Amino acid sequence: NAGVTQTPKFHILKTGQSMTLQCAQDMNHGYLSWYRQDPGMGLRRIHYSVAAGITDKGEVPDGYNVSRSNTEDFPLRLESAAPSQTSVYFCASKLVTSDLTDTQYFGPGTRLTVL
Amino acid sequence: GENVEQHPSTLSVQEGDSAVIKCTYSDSASNYFPWYKQELGKRPQLIIDIRSNVGEKKDQRIAVTLNKTAKHFSLHITETQPEDSAVYFCAATGYNFNKFYFGSGTKLNVKP
Repeated sequence: NAGVTQTPKFHILKTGQSMTLQCAQDMNHGYLSWYRQDPGMGLRRIHYSVAAGITDKGEVPDGYNVSRSNTEDFPLRLESAAPSQTSVYFCASKLVTSDLTDTQYFGPGTRLTVL
Repeated sequence: GENVEQHPSTLSVQEGDSAVIKCTYSDSASNYFPWYKQELGKRPQLIIDIRSNVGEKKDQRIAVTLNKTAKHFSLHITETQPEDSAVYFCAATGYNFNKFYFGSGTKLNVKP
């Protein structure tokens, strides 16, 4: 199993450009989420999904869109990038069960710079 | 909404000493508290977690304690080693998925 994969690893955007960050998992996990990590602020959840066809907003959703057409993939879309969206983005997955102690697995991250 | 505060932001210890990182949370509905370790340039990885019906959990040199009344939980690392140097994050969540909050992180430096 590859686990959670993300592409690209690095990207530079200009203000106003659009971009899709890719996330895929091969562990048959129902729960997928996107986080952004900024210095001194820890990780903040952007959007999440508990199953194909179901998405919901996290704590910092503005400026981002997601879709979940199948179990494996969970792309994050920036329609009109802003410098405030410069960050490291992590995708994470876990099983959807009644036991909350299932481990959440993170992808390797995408470092995005918006100029 | 939930607010998870984490202290200290940086911690420097001598190899072999103990390290303690503390977190407080505000949402009384939170009942699952994981801790993550993130090495420089790497992804966060779960190192230990605790549920609200447990007061303490140990895994070799790592332990976590939870005080639900006071709404705080702590990570304890004993006999620290240089490879423990990393950023540690606490988190709090409830029985559903609509709340998952991280602390701001503690950079631990273990000096050989």
